[in-house]
Amino acid sequence: DAGVIQSPRHEVTEMGQEVTLRCKPISGHNSLFWYRQTMMRGLELLIYFNNNVPIDDSGMPEDRFSAKMPNASFSTLKIQPSEPRDSAVYFCASSLEEWGEQYFGPGTRLTVT
Amino acid sequence: KQEVTQIPAALSVPEGENLVLNCSFTDSAIYNLQWFRQDPGKGLTSLLLIQSSQREQTSGRLNASLDKSSGRSTLYIAASQPGDSATYLCAVRPLSGGSNYKLTFGKGTLLTVNP
Repeated sequence: DAGVIQSPRHEVTEMGQEVTLRCKPISGHNSLFWYRQTMMRGLELLIYFNNNVPIDDSGMPEDRFSAKMPNASFSTLKIQPSEPRDSAVYFCASSLEEWGEQYFGPGTRLTVT
Repeated sequence: KQEVTQIPAALSVPEGENLVLNCSFTDSAIYNLQWFRQDPGKGLTSLLLIQSSQREQTSGRLNASLDKSSGRSTLYIAASQPGDSATYLCAVRPLSGGSNYKLTFGKGTLLTVNP
């Protein structure tokens, strides 16, 4: 298996622009997680999907952030409008089941200027 | 709220040295604890997972221990090599409460092994 795939790997955008991050989980995994990593706060869970349904979005910082999982093989994390404080590395991870070992993608490094 | 602390934040050692990385957590009601490795520009790779009922796990030159009652885990790396240079993170999974998908991560220890 190719592992968790994320795109783009790097994104540089200007403040106010819309940003869409993409994730393809490992085939057969029913749980998908979006994380954000910053120097100040470390790794934080943004949202968790189980069987394509959002279960916990308490980590989503504000209404500018939204996430979707239209099918078992694809998820997006959208920021609209983006702000400089959104600059971070965003990771997607998937697991076979809710309590299972999580496998991480390579991340998307987002820079908002 | 669970808090995970890793000390030191950075560590530099000469090649061949044995070393210990520390992880502490505030809530001992954990299901398991996991150690990850993160290389620059890469995602996280799982190294060792210790269930709450276990005291230690070993994989090659790595040994992780868990003392749940005191809220501590250590990752021991034997005969360190330059290829071990990376950031090491620990993460705990809660025991129950309907949120056992939710890993809480430490901020990591940046390890540099000098040739």
